[in-house]
Amino acid sequence: AQKVTQAQTEISVVEKEDVTLDCVYETRDTTYYLFWYKQPPSGELVFLIRRNSFDEQNEISGRYSWNFQKSTSSFNFTITASQVVDSAVYFCALSGTDSNYQLIWGAGTKLIIKP
Amino acid sequence: GAVVSQHPSWVICKSGTSVKIECRSLDFQATTMFWYRQFPKQSLMLMATSNEGSKATYEQGVEKDKFLINHASLTLSTLTVTSAHPEDSSFYICSARAGLAMRYEQYFGPGTRLTVT
Repeated sequence: AQKVTQAQTEISVVEKEDVTLDCVYETRDTTYYLFWYKQPPSGELVFLIRRNSFDEQNEISGRYSWNFQKSTSSFNFTITASQVVDSAVYFCALSGTDSNYQLIWGAGTKLIIKP
Repeated sequence: GAVVSQHPSWVICKSGTSVKIECRSLDFQATTMFWYRQFPKQSLMLMATSNEGSKATYEQGVEKDKFLINHASLTLSTLTVTSAHPEDSSFYICSARAGLAMRYEQYFGPGTRLTVT
């Protein structure tokens, strides 16, 4: 069975601090995809990244970076120099290549950035 | 980029009435669309998967007679909440899955907030 665990329910940091959101996944598939989405208070999901299981290179996009480690089945997300606008709920998700590429969602981590 | 719209963005209805939510892929064809429900402070829960031209596949625990899904074309899927009750109040999100040329990416609509009074 596939599963995504985001153990951090809520994280609160002061602006400009770095923060890492954890994501641990379980799957028996050899080919799979991992995602991060941001959900601000408006509710609309914002796609952040998609990573396939064969690409373990870390990714950096501005203040955002992702650390994919198959050995520990983790796909962690770090925000550097956090800003108030980063406050949102962040979801990690997993999909295989069958079942219509159905997404398996983590519970989400609510990130609060205090000014 | 690929855009998915939902209409309405919010709706308030009285208990016992039916509400229809539309999900459209505006600039691509989607053979598969997903419907999710999200309660406050919770994750997304998949309700059903619909493939164009065929019956939707509902997740366990989702009443197919209550949540009617129609996927009549490659760009439109509708979710009808029949005989709505206050417990159906939730945030409903659709997503449309593109084909091979777009790497089977899923694109999400902005969501519909349903309040049943």
